[in-house]
Amino acid sequence: DAGITQSPRHKVTETGTPVTLRCHQTENHRYMYWYRQDPGHGLRLIHYSYGVKDTDKGEVSDGYSVSRSKTEDFLLTLESATSSQTSVYFCAISDLDRGPRGYTFGSGTRLTVV
Amino acid sequence: QKEVEQNSGPLSVPEGAIASLNCTYSDRGSQSFFWYRQYSGKSPELIMFIYSNGDKEDGRFTAQLNKASQYVSLLIRDSQPSDSATYLCAVKKVTGNQFYFGTGTSLTVIP
Repeated sequence: DAGITQSPRHKVTETGTPVTLRCHQTENHRYMYWYRQDPGHGLRLIHYSYGVKDTDKGEVSDGYSVSRSKTEDFLLTLESATSSQTSVYFCAISDLDRGPRGYTFGSGTRLTVV
Repeated sequence: QKEVEQNSGPLSVPEGAIASLNCTYSDRGSQSFFWYRQYSGKSPELIMFIYSNGDKEDGRFTAQLNKASQYVSLLIRDSQPSDSATYLCAVKKVTGNQFYFGTGTSLTVIP
C-alpha cells in the first residue's frame, strides 16, 4: 500500500464538539484531499491542499476547516460537529506534478455525531 | 447537472460473463478518466485510467473512452465473485487540481 494513514479509524462524538481528523503520508506528494462519502451522494470534496499552507475549498466545505503545516500532514477539523456531518471521511493523495494520475486513498474514518 | 453520472445499479451478472459499467461526464474539457473499485467498508482503489480515445486493456479489464460522446466505460471479462463491489468513475478536467466522482455502480457477480 501507498504510505497514507488516517486517524482515528472510528470516532463517536457529541453534537457541538470540535473534532480533528488526521491524514499522514510518506509519499511526499504535494496534493492532498479530504472527501466525505455518503449513500446517494458518492464522494464529495471538502477541502484540498496543493502545498504547505496552500489550501482551497471543495463543494461541501461549510463547517469544516483544514490545515497543512507540513508536507506529510493534512488535518481536517469540524469546528462544531453536527449530526449532518456523520459520514465516512477519506483522505487522498495525488502526484499531479507528474501528470494527471489518480488518487490513492487512506482507509477512511467513520465519524458518528450523536 | 452533475459532473459525472453513473447508473447506480445494482448490476448482476453470472460468473464468467462480461460486466459492462458506464459513465458519462458533462465537461468536454475533461482530460483523464479513472475507474476505482470499492469493496463494502473499504476505501476506493484505482484499477484503471485512460487518457486517449479508444480502448485500453489491463488483464480482464478494458476501459473505453469516447470523448465525442463524453462517455467512458469499463468492461470486466470472465467476471468473478471477487469482482462484486461498487465501481466509481472519476474525471479530471484540464484545469483544476481535483477529480470528480460519480456515485458508483454496484456490481454483483453470481456464482
